[in-house]
Amino acid sequence: DAEITQSPRHKITETGRQVTLACHQTWNHNNMFWYRQDLGHGLRLIHYSYGVQDTNKGEVSDGYSVSRSNTEDLPLTLESAASSQTSVYFCASSASRGNTEAFFGQGTRLTVV
Amino acid sequence: GESVGLHLPTLSVQEGDNSIINCAYSNSASDYFIWYKQESGKGPQFIIDIRSNMDKRQGQRVTVLLNKTVKHLSLQIAATQPGDSAVYFCAEILAQGRLAFGKGNQVVVIP
Repeated sequence: DAEITQSPRHKITETGRQVTLACHQTWNHNNMFWYRQDLGHGLRLIHYSYGVQDTNKGEVSDGYSVSRSNTEDLPLTLESAASSQTSVYFCASSASRGNTEAFFGQGTRLTVV
Repeated sequence: GESVGLHLPTLSVQEGDNSIINCAYSNSASDYFIWYKQESGKGPQFIIDIRSNMDKRQGQRVTVLLNKTVKHLSLQIAATQPGDSAVYFCAEILAQGRLAFGKGNQVVVIP
């Protein structure tokens, strides 16, 4: 069955370190998204991509970057981890622009100490 | 899986009763409004959507109502079951097809 997987599921890192969270989907979806989920804020969009070589900033993109070298993967990189980036991160994918049904991964809990 | 201990508005409902979850939205230009469900330790899951030119849409045990005059969206769950215990998010499609989520409502089903 097609799926979307995130790794690692848990990560503890130190302030200032570079961290990369992986997201892999097997639906062959064009659209991929990264969200963070925090107390009192719900899900906030970090970056998104509508296809290979396409990346766009979301509402909370500062300190994060993504790259889309193939259809299946959208890794999220924290250039220099900060305590404010302690959060639960969700990756999602959808078939096409404007598609309302997005499929989410299980999430990655990142703690920056 | 992961979840966030969100301090959210909470609806406690007796098993078998109907649940109504409400959401206010801000973007009048959205083409679609959507409800997602997030169970503890999992990512959000699509439930149902409604196009902006509709007032009501029914699914299996769920009904979504859209009132564009007051920018209000609601999700009705019939005969609530323990498996309905979750956080429910309303979402809207923004320009270029991005999904924007509300802050969520917690539903707790009492057996």
